[in-house]
Amino acid sequence: DGGITQSPKYLFRKEGQNVTLSCEQNLNHDAMYWYRQDPGQGLRLIYYSQIVNDFQKGDIAEGYSVSREKKESFPLTVTSAQKNPTAFYLCASIKSIQGTEAFFGQGTRLTVV
Amino acid sequence: EDQVTQSPEALRLQEGESSSLNCSYTVSGLRGLFWYRQDPGKGPEFLFTLYSAGEEKEKERLKATLTKKESFLHITAPKPEDSATYLCAAMTGANSKLTFGKGITLSVRP
Repeated sequence: DGGITQSPKYLFRKEGQNVTLSCEQNLNHDAMYWYRQDPGQGLRLIYYSQIVNDFQKGDIAEGYSVSREKKESFPLTVTSAQKNPTAFYLCASIKSIQGTEAFFGQGTRLTVV
Repeated sequence: EDQVTQSPEALRLQEGESSSLNCSYTVSGLRGLFWYRQDPGKGPEFLFTLYSAGEEKEKERLKATLTKKESFLHITAPKPEDSATYLCAAMTGANSKLTFGKGITLSVRP
């Protein structure tokens, strides 16, 4: 079945570590997105990518990095520069022409220990 | 700066009591207005995309409408299983930026 897969579901990070969250889709979607969700804050855009080897900063990109080497994959690295990384991270993909298909993964919950 | 505002923040309805959720947007060049449903601890589930003012889409008890400044999600005769957070998002720009509102938490009492 086609879909968008995030892994791991739960992730624990020590202070000062970088961690990478995986997002893979087999829907042949063009655009991919990373969001952070905190209680009462809604979804805040971290990075997004319309095409391979190109991506744009969202509203809260500081302390995060991404790559888009393949159409199917859009990994997010949470660096040690992100001071408050504990949150629920969501990845989405959209077939951007007319955007009729717009799906999210099931999320990764990151906790700093 | 693109802004999407949803109201009210929370809504409590009795089963069968119809109502509307509002999503107002201030963006440059709207390409599409998206509605999602999100259950606790899960990723949002896609409901609708609307592209132009006057457009309407329906799915079961839900109907989404779009004007030049806002979108409404009408829920007719809701059931307890409709309880969730409803999110709207505006797509803009050549790079397909997708900006979300903070969501509306709907509770439907039996």
